[in-house]
Amino acid sequence: GPKVLQIPSHQIIDMGQMVTLNCDPVSNHLYFYWYKQILGQQMEFLVNFYNGKVMEKSKLFKDQFSVERPDGSYFTLKIQPTALEDSAVYFCASSLDGDSDYTFGSGTRLLVI
Amino acid sequence: GEQVEQLPSILRVQEGSSASINCTYENSASNYFPWYKQEPGENPKLIIDIRSNMERKQTQGLIVLLDKKAKRFSLHITDTQPGDSAMYFCAARTGGYKVVFGSGTRLLVSP
Repeated sequence: GPKVLQIPSHQIIDMGQMVTLNCDPVSNHLYFYWYKQILGQQMEFLVNFYNGKVMEKSKLFKDQFSVERPDGSYFTLKIQPTALEDSAVYFCASSLDGDSDYTFGSGTRLLVI
Repeated sequence: GEQVEQLPSILRVQEGSSASINCTYENSASNYFPWYKQEPGENPKLIIDIRSNMERKQTQGLIVLLDKKAKRFSLHITDTQPGDSAMYFCAARTGGYKVVFGSGTRLLVSP
């Protein structure tokens, strides 16, 4: 079926540096999401995005986080500066509309050292 | 609130028996309840879902039940196989667009 691609699959970064996680959603999907999962734990909602705007964000979506999708290209999550507690797997998801199933990407494993 | 509680956290069953996972939600406006299976190192994959206009749904050895009054929903896996061993997450979409996940159940099916 249609896939959500996430690039890179793994990223190791020094604390304090900036990182950008890239997501290529399903082509006709209009709603985009980021989730954070620490190993073996639950998927925690970070943010959802539609029509060029953040619709909703959680407490985990700190001031250091930002999202954008310039000109229909990648949907990105930027963390600047990174902190040790940002180490996790970040999953991108997209859906056709606000009422449809999500399609999840395979995740980016971020390690901040 | 928007919390989704999920129990048990670990479930061990014998091959061929059934397994049940239970979830409760807080927001009575929740209208969509997906279940995901996640293998180690993989992304979560939708296995079955139910909407608020239904009480029961069944597909390929999976049954989901929804009790809106009690704000409770459950997944039942009949005739479990070792390949069913994985993490299972329930989730609920609140009236907005985000899906809130439960804390997960690690299902272990022994031969």
